[in-house]
Amino acid sequence: EIVLTQSPGTLSLSPGERATLSCRASQSVSGSYLAWYQHKPGQAPRLLIYGASSRATGIPDRFSGSGSGTDFTLTISRLEPEDFAVYYCQQYGSSPRTFGQGTKVEIK
Amino acid sequence: EVQLVQSGAEVKKPGESLNISCKGSGYSFTNYWIGWVRQMPGKGLEWMGIIYAGDSDTSYSPSFQGQVTMSVDKSSSTAYLQWGSLKASDTAIYYCARTDSGYYDKWGQGTLLTVSS
Repeated sequence: EIVLTQSPGTLSLSPGERATLSCRASQSVSGSYLAWYQHKPGQAPRLLIYGASSRATGIPDRFSGSGSGTDFTLTISRLEPEDFAVYYCQQYGSSPRTFGQGTKVEIK
Repeated sequence: EVQLVQSGAEVKKPGESLNISCKGSGYSFTNYWIGWVRQMPGKGLEWMGIIYAGDSDTSYSPSFQGQVTMSVDKSSSTAYLQWGSLKASDTAIYYCARTDSGYYDKWGQGTLLTVSS
């Protein structure tokens, strides 16, 4: 089973700042089959990025994903008020699919 | 519009059985997999398993194998997650989500399950 470790656990930033979230895999994620989701309390998770770097439909271009192998990054170029949430990475290159433990982006 | 609509919140006692449902609409239900994801109170997302709506092929996470059963009813475009004997530790929000390539592009609104004596 691939274990995904996200860091930091919490990121305290102000609107307009840049957020950089890390997702490290315990072994290589085949095909860069890695996705990122945004999750707000009381809502369903929302797909942001798939294939490590492809934005999902309707996702603003301030969200970008990069990486391959075992190291992946989600970057939010300029935080908007609606971006404060928990972010999860998920690998779907091998079974069982697994999620990281999440990074909370909170308002500083 | 693609939608996954889940059944409502449940309050059950330990030892009871339960089915929760996830009804798909706005797309060809049998061409997609439905995945189930658990979120325990104050915790992150956990991948439970997936079922292919076309032929009921399933894959369970080892953590959930034998603890739950996934099924689908093609005639009603509905997926189910079933427990035979609930435990207090099953208290969580359960999400269903659609996938055809491994990542989940549409999610249900979640079903809150509370198991308490």
